[in-house]
Amino acid sequence: AQSVTQPDIHITVSEGASLELRCNYSYGATPYLFWYVQSPGQGLQLLLKYFSGDTLVQGIKGFEAEFKRSQSSFNLRKPSVHWSDAAEYFCAVGAFSGSARQLTFGSGTQLTVLP
Amino acid sequence: DADVTQTPRNRITKTGKRIMLECSQTKGHDRMYWYRQDPGLGLRLIYYSFDVKDINKGEISDGYSVSRQAQAKFSLSLESAIPNQTALYFCATSEGTDTQYFGPGTRLTVL
Repeated sequence: AQSVTQPDIHITVSEGASLELRCNYSYGATPYLFWYVQSPGQGLQLLLKYFSGDTLVQGIKGFEAEFKRSQSSFNLRKPSVHWSDAAEYFCAVGAFSGSARQLTFGSGTQLTVLP
Repeated sequence: DADVTQTPRNRITKTGKRIMLECSQTKGHDRMYWYRQDPGLGLRLIYYSFDVKDINKGEISDGYSVSRQAQAKFSLSLESAIPNQTALYFCATSEGTDTQYFGPGTRLTVL
């Protein structure tokens, strides 16, 4: 069965600093990988996804993620964080079960941005 | 207007009560999902539906039931609510196996 680990429960960065959120996955085949963001009181918004091809994926709001098969990782990065980026971030792996792709989520990383 | 809507957004109920959470979508997607979110656990899949006639159990279906009344509507029921079902519930939709899009969530408290 697939699994996702987000090792950092909580990260604090200063506004303008760079950001990297870690995600490690376990899945026996080529994974479909996602990053979602959840702002307070909001649903989950898709930031970016990786299905195949270029291992560096660009997303919305200036985020990018790099798929590294050798490390089973899909880390999320942003070169300069804005106060509005404060939220909870979830990494997910999509694995096929029959004809359905089921998402397995990590436990999330809460991001705090200091002024 | 939002593509995926959930009602109610907040609900407080008592142990043993029956409660229904509703999800509607205007995206025209064929697949719909129900997840629950608990602090520190991420989201876990309760049920998913390929179409009106195809319902499947997810990781944590015990204590829940669902109904797909139409392609655009998917409801989640708790027949006899218990306190450990207190959580944030999300509905999601997708077209086939493509990306899932989430609703705003329903915060359920069972006293």
